[in-house]
Amino acid sequence: DQQVKQNSPSLSVQEGRISILNCDYTNSMFDYFLWYKKYPAEGPTFLISISSIKDKNEDGRFTVFLNKSAKHLSLHIVPSQPGDSAVYFCAAGGGATNKLIFGTGTLLAVQP
Amino acid sequence: GAVVSQHPSWVICKSGTSVKIECRSLDFQATTMFWYRQFPKQSLMLMATSNEGSKATYEQGVEKDKFLINHASLTLSTLTVTSAHPEDSSFYICSAPDGPGNTIYFGEGSWLTVV
Repeated sequence: DQQVKQNSPSLSVQEGRISILNCDYTNSMFDYFLWYKKYPAEGPTFLISISSIKDKNEDGRFTVFLNKSAKHLSLHIVPSQPGDSAVYFCAAGGGATNKLIFGTGTLLAVQP
Repeated sequence: GAVVSQHPSWVICKSGTSVKIECRSLDFQATTMFWYRQFPKQSLMLMATSNEGSKATYEQGVEKDKFLINHASLTLSTLTVTSAHPEDSSFYICSAPDGPGNTIYFGEGSWLTVV
C-alpha cells in the first residue's frame, strides 16, 4: 500500500516558468511533510518542509502548499532554472519515530 | 550545517561475500539513523531503523540476518550486507535526524554492485 504517491513520473518546464510538483497521501496521521531533491548517484538533499498545522511554507523560490482535507501537497518552484532539473521526492512522517515514507519521485526537466 | 557522510561511495563485491557500509553524523549526535535502499527508477524504501545502544528495527520483508545493522556510537551506524547476491545490488542511503522532530539529513549514498 503506497501511503505517499507522486502520480506524475516526469515534468518538463521552460526556464523562468513555474514548476508544480504534486504529492498525495493516504494517512491522515502524518505530522509533517518534506520535499527532497535528488541527483543521480547522490543522496537526497532537503529542500523544504511543512507541518500539518500549516497550509503554506515559503523559502525563496520554493513554496510548499498543504491541503489537509484533500490529503494533497504541492511544491512550487518559481522561476524554474535549469539547475533545478532533478528527481523530486515528497516524504511524510509522523509521531516520535522520525521515520519517513517517500513517494516514487517526479523527474523535473527545466529546459533552457 | 549538519552533515551525514557515507563510506564507501562505490563498492563491488563478489557474490557470497559480505560488505560493510558506514554512516556517520559529522557534527551532531544521532541516537537514531535510518537505512534506505533505492532500486533504479523506484522510490527510497526504508529498510531499518538503527538505534544506538539497542537492536535495529527492521521493516517488514527485510531480512535482519542478511542486513546486519550496528549503531556503534552516537555518530556511527554500519550496515553489513552478508552473503551478498546480485539482487542485492542497489543504492543504499542512510539518514539521521538532527534531534527529535528536526530535519532529517541524508548521506551521499553507497552504490553496491554484486558480481
